[in-house]
Amino acid sequence: QKEVEQNSGPLSVPEGAIASLNCTYSDRGSQSFFWYRQYSGKSPELIMSIYSNGDKEDGRFTAQLNKASQYVSLLIRDSQPSDSATYLCAVNPTGTASKLTFGTGTRLQVTL
Amino acid sequence: DTAVSQTPKYLVTQMGNDKSIKCEQNLGHDTMYWYKQDSKKFLKIMFSYNNKELIINETVPNRFSPKSPDKAHLNLHINSLELGDSAVYFCASSQGLGTGVSYEQYFGPGTRLTVT
Repeated sequence: QKEVEQNSGPLSVPEGAIASLNCTYSDRGSQSFFWYRQYSGKSPELIMSIYSNGDKEDGRFTAQLNKASQYVSLLIRDSQPSDSATYLCAVNPTGTASKLTFGTGTRLQVTL
Repeated sequence: DTAVSQTPKYLVTQMGNDKSIKCEQNLGHDTMYWYKQDSKKFLKIMFSYNNKELIINETVPNRFSPKSPDKAHLNLHINSLELGDSAVYFCASSQGLGTGVSYEQYFGPGTRLTVT
């Protein structure tokens, strides 16, 4: 079982729709979770961090964490073509002080 | 102002050569990292330094040697380059180690290394 799993996609959503990106992780003791966006040929850009169960909203982005089910998701409301990118889920495994384990990313395509 | 910078942006070299990549951050962070992103876009940590002390050393060939002269700089030297070393290398930094949780990490623009 991979430590952090994401559907590679592509996930295709029409402009203005809600994009839902999911991530599951294997280490039940993980405490820190991050979503990064990476455009082709660019570096990962931090979108959200989440540490507690529940929802965390920032503009059009909402991160959702459920530690009991070991999943974290990212919702993008009113999706725009500029949101088309690969979204990376990252998890800090237990006892690994600052180490992040990344998923393979989900490619999102927002269509006109 | 660039928060995390790397030089060079591109590096093309032949097998067997030795090369270095430099990273600098002006965020006042204590912790810096090197990541490797391979051709399949999988991002994996290689090393981490906190206040110039090595704290993470993943299973990386010893041809790779990081060095942190101070908190704001982290360099990566690679000896005897091999074809499989071709990848994009990202530097990142974070506020610190955190206690029980991990601080957010911010990435540099990357160095695309091509070994021919």
